[in-house]
Amino acid sequence: EAAVTQSPRSKVAVTGGKVTLSCHQTNNHDYMYWYRQDTGHGLRLIHYSYVADSTEKGDIPDGYKASRPSQENFSLILELASLSQTAVYFCASSDLGPRGAETLYFGSGTRLTVL
Amino acid sequence: GQQVQQSPASLVLQEGENAELQCNFSSTATRLQWFYQHPGGRLVSLFYNPSGTKHTGRLTSTTVTNERRSSLHISSSQTTDSGTYFCAIDRRSGNYKYVFGAGTRLKVIA
Repeated sequence: EAAVTQSPRSKVAVTGGKVTLSCHQTNNHDYMYWYRQDTGHGLRLIHYSYVADSTEKGDIPDGYKASRPSQENFSLILELASLSQTAVYFCASSDLGPRGAETLYFGSGTRLTVL
Repeated sequence: GQQVQQSPASLVLQEGENAELQCNFSSTATRLQWFYQHPGGRLVSLFYNPSGTKHTGRLTSTTVTNERRSSLHISSSQTTDSGTYFCAIDRRSGNYKYVFGAGTRLKVIA
Protein backbone atom coordinates (compact mmCIF):
# COMPACT_ATOMS: atom_id res chain seq x y z
CA GLU A 1 0.00 0.00 0.00
CA ALA A 2 1.37 3.37 -1.04
CA ALA A 3 2.06 5.74 1.79
CA VAL A 4 1.37 9.44 1.56
CA THR A 5 2.12 11.47 4.66
CA GLN A 6 0.99 15.02 5.21
CA SER A 7 2.12 17.48 7.82
CA PRO A 8 0.87 19.16 9.85
CA ARG A 9 -2.44 17.40 10.52
CA SER A 10 -4.00 20.69 11.45
CA LYS A 11 -2.93 24.30 11.55
CA VAL A 12 -4.30 27.64 12.61
CA ALA A 13 -2.88 30.59 10.71
CA VAL A 14 -3.45 34.33 10.82
CA THR A 15 -4.63 36.31 7.86
CA GLY A 16 -1.69 37.53 5.83
CA GLY A 17 0.69 34.98 7.25
CA LYS A 18 2.66 32.39 5.32
CA VAL A 19 1.65 28.74 5.50
CA THR A 20 3.49 25.73 4.15
CA LEU A 21 1.84 22.34 3.92
CA SER A 22 4.09 19.35 3.33
CA CYS A 23 3.55 16.02 1.66
CA HIS A 24 5.84 13.01 1.44
CA GLN A 25 5.28 9.79 -0.50
CA THR A 26 7.33 6.62 -0.34
CA ASN A 27 6.30 4.70 -3.44
CA ASN A 28 8.24 6.39 -6.23
CA HIS A 29 5.08 7.75 -7.82
CA ASP A 30 5.58 10.25 -10.61
CA TYR A 31 2.43 12.28 -10.05
CA MET A 32 1.60 14.26 -6.95
CA TYR A 33 -1.39 16.53 -6.35
CA TRP A 34 -2.79 19.05 -3.96
CA TYR A 35 -6.56 19.25 -3.54
CA ARG A 36 -8.70 21.29 -1.24
CA GLN A 37 -12.03 20.21 0.19
CA ASP A 38 -14.56 22.64 1.57
CA THR A 39 -17.17 21.42 4.00
CA GLY A 40 -19.82 19.39 2.23
CA HIS A 41 -18.12 19.59 -1.14
CA GLY A 42 -15.93 17.54 -3.40
CA LEU A 43 -12.23 18.03 -4.00
CA ARG A 44 -10.79 20.72 -6.24
CA LEU A 45 -7.33 20.52 -7.76
CA ILE A 46 -4.92 23.31 -6.82
CA HIS A 47 -1.55 22.22 -8.23
CA TYR A 48 0.01 19.03 -9.42
CA SER A 49 3.38 17.75 -10.55
CA TYR A 50 4.57 14.87 -12.71
CA VAL A 51 8.31 15.30 -12.21
CA ALA A 52 10.66 16.77 -9.66
CA ASP A 53 11.43 20.49 -9.99
CA SER A 54 8.30 21.07 -12.04
CA THR A 55 4.74 21.97 -11.06
CA GLU A 56 1.55 22.60 -12.98
CA LYS A 57 -1.50 24.69 -12.21
CA GLY A 58 -4.70 22.90 -11.42
CA ASP A 59 -8.19 24.33 -11.52
CA ILE A 60 -7.92 26.77 -8.59
CA PRO A 61 -4.26 27.84 -8.34
CA ASP A 62 -4.77 31.48 -7.36
CA GLY A 63 -3.28 32.29 -3.97
CA TYR A 64 -1.23 29.09 -3.87
CA LYS A 65 2.26 28.07 -4.91
CA ALA A 66 3.67 24.59 -5.10
CA SER A 67 7.14 23.13 -4.88
CA ARG A 68 8.42 19.68 -5.86
CA PRO A 69 12.07 19.55 -4.77
CA SER A 70 12.28 15.76 -5.11
CA GLN A 71 10.13 12.90 -6.32
CA GLU A 72 9.09 12.16 -2.75
CA ASN A 73 8.18 15.65 -1.56
CA PHE A 74 5.54 18.12 -2.66
CA SER A 75 4.69 21.30 -0.75
CA LEU A 76 1.83 23.74 -0.95
CA ILE A 77 2.60 27.32 -0.02
CA LEU A 78 0.19 30.06 0.92
CA GLU A 79 2.25 33.24 0.85
CA LEU A 80 -0.53 35.45 2.21
CA ALA A 81 -3.16 33.32 3.87
CA SER A 82 -6.74 34.52 3.60
CA LEU A 83 -9.97 33.58 5.33
CA SER A 84 -11.25 31.97 2.14
CA GLN A 85 -8.41 29.45 2.27
CA THR A 86 -9.82 27.79 5.36
CA ALA A 87 -10.39 24.21 4.20
CA VAL A 88 -9.07 20.68 4.41
CA TYR A 89 -6.13 20.06 2.09
CA PHE A 90 -5.34 16.66 0.66
CA CYS A 91 -2.18 15.53 -0.99
CA ALA A 92 -2.25 12.55 -3.33
CA SER A 93 0.11 10.55 -5.48
CA SER A 94 -0.54 8.23 -8.37
CA ASP A 95 1.03 5.40 -10.27
CA LEU A 96 0.64 4.17 -13.80
CA GLY A 97 -0.78 0.70 -14.20
CA PRO A 98 0.20 -1.61 -17.07
CA ARG A 99 -2.82 -0.55 -19.14
CA GLY A 100 -2.76 3.06 -18.17
CA ALA A 101 -4.87 2.42 -15.12
CA GLU A 102 -4.25 4.72 -12.25
CA THR A 103 -5.07 4.83 -8.59
CA LEU A 104 -4.87 7.95 -6.49
CA TYR A 105 -3.45 7.46 -3.00
CA PHE A 106 -4.39 10.18 -0.57
CA GLY A 107 -2.81 11.48 2.58
CA SER A 108 -4.88 11.95 5.71
CA GLY A 109 -5.45 15.63 5.06
CA THR A 110 -4.46 18.91 6.74
CA ARG A 111 -7.18 20.96 8.33
CA LEU A 112 -6.24 24.63 7.88
CA THR A 113 -8.07 27.37 9.70
CA VAL A 114 -7.23 30.96 8.84
CA LEU A 115 -8.32 33.55 11.39
CA GLY B 1 -15.09 22.52 -18.52
CA GLN B 2 -15.62 19.06 -17.17
CA GLN B 3 -18.69 18.82 -14.94
CA VAL B 4 -19.47 15.89 -12.73
CA GLN B 5 -22.90 15.49 -11.18
CA GLN B 6 -23.61 12.95 -8.50
CA SER B 7 -26.95 11.85 -7.21
CA PRO B 8 -28.46 11.57 -4.77
CA ALA B 9 -26.70 14.15 -2.62
CA SER B 10 -27.47 12.12 0.47
CA LEU B 11 -29.04 8.79 1.29
CA VAL B 12 -30.13 6.99 4.44
CA LEU B 13 -30.51 3.22 4.41
CA GLN B 14 -31.49 0.55 6.83
CA GLU B 15 -28.77 -2.02 7.23
CA GLY B 16 -29.20 -4.73 4.59
CA GLU B 17 -30.75 -2.48 1.96
CA ASN B 18 -29.12 -1.87 -1.41
CA ALA B 19 -27.98 1.48 -2.77
CA GLU B 20 -27.43 2.84 -6.24
CA LEU B 21 -25.25 5.94 -6.57
CA GLN B 22 -25.13 7.80 -9.85
CA CYS B 23 -22.44 9.84 -11.58
CA ASN B 24 -23.07 11.80 -14.77
CA PHE B 25 -20.45 13.81 -16.60
CA SER B 26 -20.62 16.38 -19.33
CA SER B 27 -17.62 15.37 -21.46
CA THR B 28 -16.16 12.07 -22.54
CA ALA B 29 -14.07 10.65 -19.75
CA THR B 30 -10.89 8.74 -20.48
CA ARG B 31 -10.48 7.88 -16.81
CA LEU B 32 -13.00 7.46 -14.05
CA GLN B 33 -12.58 6.53 -10.42
CA TRP B 34 -14.88 6.03 -7.47
CA PHE B 35 -13.61 7.05 -4.06
CA TYR B 36 -14.86 6.52 -0.54
CA GLN B 37 -14.27 9.07 2.19
CA HIS B 38 -14.42 7.76 5.72
CA PRO B 39 -16.39 9.86 8.21
CA GLY B 40 -13.04 10.82 9.70
CA GLY B 41 -11.86 12.21 6.35
CA ARG B 42 -9.58 9.55 4.90
CA LEU B 43 -10.03 8.97 1.15
CA VAL B 44 -9.55 5.62 -0.53
CA SER B 45 -9.95 4.53 -4.11
CA LEU B 46 -12.71 1.97 -4.67
CA PHE B 47 -12.62 1.45 -8.42
CA TYR B 48 -10.75 2.61 -11.44
CA ASN B 49 -13.46 2.01 -14.05
CA PRO B 50 -13.48 4.06 -17.26
CA SER B 51 -15.81 1.56 -18.96
CA GLY B 52 -17.68 -1.64 -18.28
CA THR B 53 -18.46 -3.34 -15.00
CA LYS B 54 -16.22 -4.14 -12.07
CA HIS B 55 -16.95 -5.92 -8.81
CA THR B 56 -15.28 -6.02 -5.46
CA GLY B 57 -17.06 -7.60 -2.53
CA ARG B 58 -20.48 -6.00 -2.18
CA LEU B 59 -19.63 -3.16 -4.54
CA THR B 60 -20.27 -3.03 -8.28
CA SER B 61 -19.31 -0.19 -10.58
CA THR B 62 -20.80 0.14 -14.06
CA THR B 63 -19.66 2.81 -16.49
CA VAL B 64 -21.36 3.44 -19.82
CA THR B 65 -18.89 5.71 -21.52
CA ASN B 66 -20.94 6.78 -24.54
CA GLU B 67 -23.83 7.70 -22.24
CA ARG B 68 -21.45 9.60 -19.93
CA ARG B 69 -22.60 7.93 -16.77
CA SER B 70 -21.36 5.61 -14.09
CA SER B 71 -23.04 3.98 -11.15
CA LEU B 72 -21.91 2.44 -7.90
CA HIS B 73 -24.10 -0.29 -6.47
CA ILE B 74 -23.78 -1.29 -2.84
CA SER B 75 -25.53 -4.50 -1.92
CA SER B 76 -26.58 -5.56 1.57
CA SER B 77 -25.40 -2.30 3.11
CA GLN B 78 -23.66 -2.27 6.48
CA THR B 79 -23.19 0.51 9.00
CA THR B 80 -19.50 0.55 8.08
CA ASP B 81 -20.46 1.67 4.56
CA SER B 82 -21.46 5.05 5.97
CA GLY B 83 -19.43 7.90 4.58
CA THR B 84 -19.20 9.92 1.37
CA TYR B 85 -18.73 8.47 -2.10
CA PHE B 86 -17.08 10.51 -4.83
CA CYS B 87 -16.89 10.04 -8.55
CA ALA B 88 -13.91 11.64 -10.32
CA ILE B 89 -13.28 12.07 -14.04
CA ASP B 90 -10.28 12.83 -16.21
CA ARG B 91 -10.99 13.30 -19.90
CA ARG B 92 -7.52 14.26 -21.06
CA SER B 93 -5.37 11.32 -21.95
CA GLY B 94 -1.85 11.59 -20.54
CA ASN B 95 -2.62 14.46 -18.22
CA TYR B 96 -3.92 13.28 -14.90
CA LYS B 97 -6.27 16.00 -13.73
CA TYR B 98 -9.18 14.43 -11.96
CA VAL B 99 -12.34 16.49 -11.44
CA PHE B 100 -14.48 15.41 -8.54
CA GLY B 101 -18.22 15.44 -8.11
CA ALA B 102 -19.75 16.84 -4.95
CA GLY B 103 -20.28 13.36 -3.55
CA THR B 104 -23.10 11.26 -2.16
CA ARG B 105 -23.28 11.16 1.60
CA LEU B 106 -24.47 7.74 2.75
CA LYS B 107 -25.69 6.85 6.20
CA VAL B 108 -26.55 3.26 7.04
CA ILE B 109 -28.45 2.71 10.26
CA ALA B 110 -28.77 -0.52 12.17
